[in-house]
Amino acid sequence: GENVEQHPSTLSVQEGDSAVIKCTYSDSASNYFPWYKQELGKGPQLIIDIRSNVGEKKDQRIAVTLNKTAKHFSLHITETQPEDSAVYFCAASGGGGADGLTFGKGTHLIIQP
Amino acid sequence: KAGVTQTPRYLIKTRGQQVTLSCSPISGHRSVSWYQQTPGQGLQFLFEYFSETQRNKGNFPGRFSGRQFSNSRSEMNVSTLELGDSALYLCASSLGRGQGSSPLHFGNGTRLTVT
Repeated sequence: GENVEQHPSTLSVQEGDSAVIKCTYSDSASNYFPWYKQELGKGPQLIIDIRSNVGEKKDQRIAVTLNKTAKHFSLHITETQPEDSAVYFCAASGGGGADGLTFGKGTHLIIQP
Repeated sequence: KAGVTQTPRYLIKTRGQQVTLSCSPISGHRSVSWYQQTPGQGLQFLFEYFSETQRNKGNFPGRFSGRQFSNSRSEMNVSTLELGDSALYLCASSLGRGQGSSPLHFGNGTRLTVT
């Protein structure tokens, strides 16, 4: 089955700086890659997603890049703000969506004032 | 539009008992998926229901089961509870069938503690 590795497990950045979280996946048939943000006491919230026919997608301060050849994808957050502090999860879905999403272990992003 | 609603928010059960968790999806969503979240294993897929039928299942023992009703609401049942079943159980709904067909929208989960 699919295996998703996520790094780093903890990331501390100064407010206003950029943050980058990286994930690799193992199944070359995976074609859907969402990113979720989870705040304390809440469920994961989808913040951006990308499909395998696209190399990059941007939504305001958030962008995701996908390298199918290397089987890795990354989340980029620019101009970080205190409200960006949370745990971020990457995930991958196998071809056809036959299996559930496979999640990375999460990155705890800390925005230092 | 109301989000995914899970009840109850917290549950404390004793080893050997059984438990039923409930999930109401976003209006119009026909697919409901369940995930288990623990500090050690992270988020793991349990199963997905679409049009009252289980469409796929993760790698969990048969003690974990579920069902979906005609109004798309779903319940998850865990029988013969073990200490290791303590976790946050998350329900997610989506428009289409399959985890990659349309975005998943998660509820805030049910925190189950087994003593």
